[in-house]
Amino acid sequence: LAKTTQPISMDSYEGQEVNITCSHNNIATNDYITWYQQFPSQGPRFIIQGYKTKVTNEVASLFIPADRKSSTLSLPRVSLSDTAVYYCLVGDRSNDYKLSFGAGTTVTVRA
Amino acid sequence: DSGVTQTPKHLITATGQRVTLRCSPRSGDLSVYWYQQSLDQGLQFLIHYYNGEERAKGNILERFSAQQFPDLHSELNLSSLELGDSALYFCASSTLPGEVTDTQYFGPGTRLTVL
Repeated sequence: LAKTTQPISMDSYEGQEVNITCSHNNIATNDYITWYQQFPSQGPRFIIQGYKTKVTNEVASLFIPADRKSSTLSLPRVSLSDTAVYYCLVGDRSNDYKLSFGAGTTVTVRA
Repeated sequence: DSGVTQTPKHLITATGQRVTLRCSPRSGDLSVYWYQQSLDQGLQFLIHYYNGEERAKGNILERFSAQQFPDLHSELNLSSLELGDSALYFCASSTLPGEVTDTQYFGPGTRLTVL
């Protein structure tokens, strides 16, 4: 069963880079790593997805080492509006694609 | 706006009652997922349907049931409600049958309060 471990919370200041590391030791060969963002009382929103090495889009970057046992979401130059919960998601292909969001990381950005 | 709609937005009911939550997926999406989010449990996967068929089950109680209709909308039925069922219930949809590469688009949620 693919399970993810993330820090419970992180604090940052506006303009700084925030890096959130997710551990997924039992990731399956064909699994991808996906990150979602959730604001209070709203549904989660897709941020980025990757399989290996590095992926970058207009919102974030995702770094995945060769062993794929962890991944790091990087949010460049955060603003107050980036305060949210960030979930690392790895599909569980051993059990009919049951998806596990985990507890998420609460990122608080201060002025 | 994700394109996923959920009704009602808020629901207040009493213990022992039964309620139905409704979800309409994005146009063209065949997969519908249901999640429960409470303060102490985080985001819990309940059940997944693809094109009318149940695809995967998570931590869904026997008092809860769901179905996906031919027009692809889905309903989550919660019966014999308990105080602990108070939570936000999210529906999400995706195009494919549940691969981890699928992007899930979440609705705004239904806030259920059981008194």
